[in-house]
Amino acid sequence: AQSVTQPDIHITVSEGASLELRCNYSYGATPYLFWYVQSPGQGLQLLLKYFSGDTLVQGIKGFEAEFKRSQSSFNLRKPSVHWSDAAEYFCAVGANQAGTALIFGKGTTLSVSS
Amino acid sequence: EAGVTQSPTHLIKTRGQQATLRCSPISGHTSVYWYQQALGLGLQFLLWYDEGEERNRGNFPPRFSGRQFPNYSSELNVNALELEDSALYLCASSSSGGLYEQYFGPGTRLTVT
Repeated sequence: AQSVTQPDIHITVSEGASLELRCNYSYGATPYLFWYVQSPGQGLQLLLKYFSGDTLVQGIKGFEAEFKRSQSSFNLRKPSVHWSDAAEYFCAVGANQAGTALIFGKGTTLSVSS
Repeated sequence: EAGVTQSPTHLIKTRGQQATLRCSPISGHTSVYWYQQALGLGLQFLLWYDEGEERNRGNFPPRFSGRQFPNYSSELNVNALELEDSALYLCASSSSGGLYEQYFGPGTRLTVT
């Protein structure tokens, strides 16, 4: 079955500390992986994507993610968290083809403490 | 460049009524996707429209339907509303060439009472 698992429902990080959000996937075809962020009452903003090539991808707002095929993981990282990073983060998997139905994880809520 | 837009922002309906949600894709994008984000159920794929045709649908009943217009904007209709249809409905668009990452709009919050 195709699925995305985000093991952490809620994470609290101190401002300035590093962050890692976990994502594991199960997908039959070559996976194309995404991280989206959603602020309260808002839509989803694409942070970064992995299609092929270098397994460490850089995104917006200082985020990066590393694709590890052997572990079926695509973890999101940021070296220093800002208070404005508090939001809900979604990992998603799909195929690089028109009409791919993205499969989303349940999301991880990030709180930032001062 | 304008992003994906959706209207209305909020919609309140009573059970049994019909709801119509609208979406305008990013200029140049021909594919429109609809997702439902319901409390406790997460984000689920609803429908995909491309070049005016419904190309794929998720595991939702036929009372969820829609269409895509010649300008690639799209409408989602939900008939015979049920309480569990209360959710945030997100529209996304993608281009038909190259990499198919989907860009999302702000959503329409549908409340069924």
